[in-house]
Amino acid sequence: GAVVSQHPSRVICKSGTSVKIECRSLDFQATTMFWYRQFPKQSLMLMATSNEGSKATYEQGVEKDKFLINHASLTLSTLTVTSAHPEDSSFYICSTVGTNLYEQYFGPGTRLTVT
Amino acid sequence: QKEVEQDPGPLSVPEGAIVSLNCTYSNSAFQYFMWYRQYSRKGPELLMYTYSSGNKEDGRFTAQVDKSSKYISLFIRDSQPSDSATYLCAMSAGNTPLVFGKGTRLSVIA
Repeated sequence: GAVVSQHPSRVICKSGTSVKIECRSLDFQATTMFWYRQFPKQSLMLMATSNEGSKATYEQGVEKDKFLINHASLTLSTLTVTSAHPEDSSFYICSTVGTNLYEQYFGPGTRLTVT
Repeated sequence: QKEVEQDPGPLSVPEGAIVSLNCTYSNSAFQYFMWYRQYSRKGPELLMYTYSSGNKEDGRFTAQVDKSSKYISLFIRDSQPSDSATYLCAMSAGNTPLVFGKGTRLSVIA
C-alpha cells in the first residue's frame, strides 16, 4: 500500500495559538486525502476531504474557518488548527486514497495537546 | 442507531487462542468491508477488505461478511502477543467515505 507520513508526530501548544500538521504521500500521487480526528476510545471521525487544487469539503459540524486545509500539491496536504483550544486536543490522522475510495492508507497520526 | 456498532472491549485472550471480532451495521448500501489494525499512538493499517458477502482468508486472519444479517467478523487464529492492538471495522458503499466502528481493544497474553 501507499506510504504516508505526518509531521509533527506530537505537538503541545498554548490555547489561542495555531498549529499546522503536514500529511505527505511518499510514493503515490494523491489527488484526494482525508483528515480524521480520533478522541480516546472513540472511532475515527472524518473531518474533511482534501482535494488537490481545490477547496476542501468539510463534514457537518466541522468549522472550516477553524480547521484550514490546503492541498497545494499531489503529495502534500496541510491541516492548520487555528486559535486552538483545549477541546481541540486529539489525535489527527490523514489518509490517502488508493484506486478506490474504500482503499485508504493512513499516516501515523499527530497527537495535539492544547494547554 | 449508529451506522456501525462495534464492542470496544477490552478483550483479553491467552496466546494461541482463536479471537473473534465483530461489527454490525444498519446501512444496507454498504458493499465494502474493511478491517484495520491500530497500534497505540499509530495510524490504522489495512488488514483485509471484502467486497459483498462471503469469506476471505489471509494467513491467520479470516474475514466474514453476512450482508443478510448486516454482520461482519474477523477471526484471528493462533493469536500472538504481537496481535495486541485495537481492531477497527470500516465500511463503505463504494464511492463514499469510510464509516468506522469504535474499535475493539485486544490483548493477547503470553
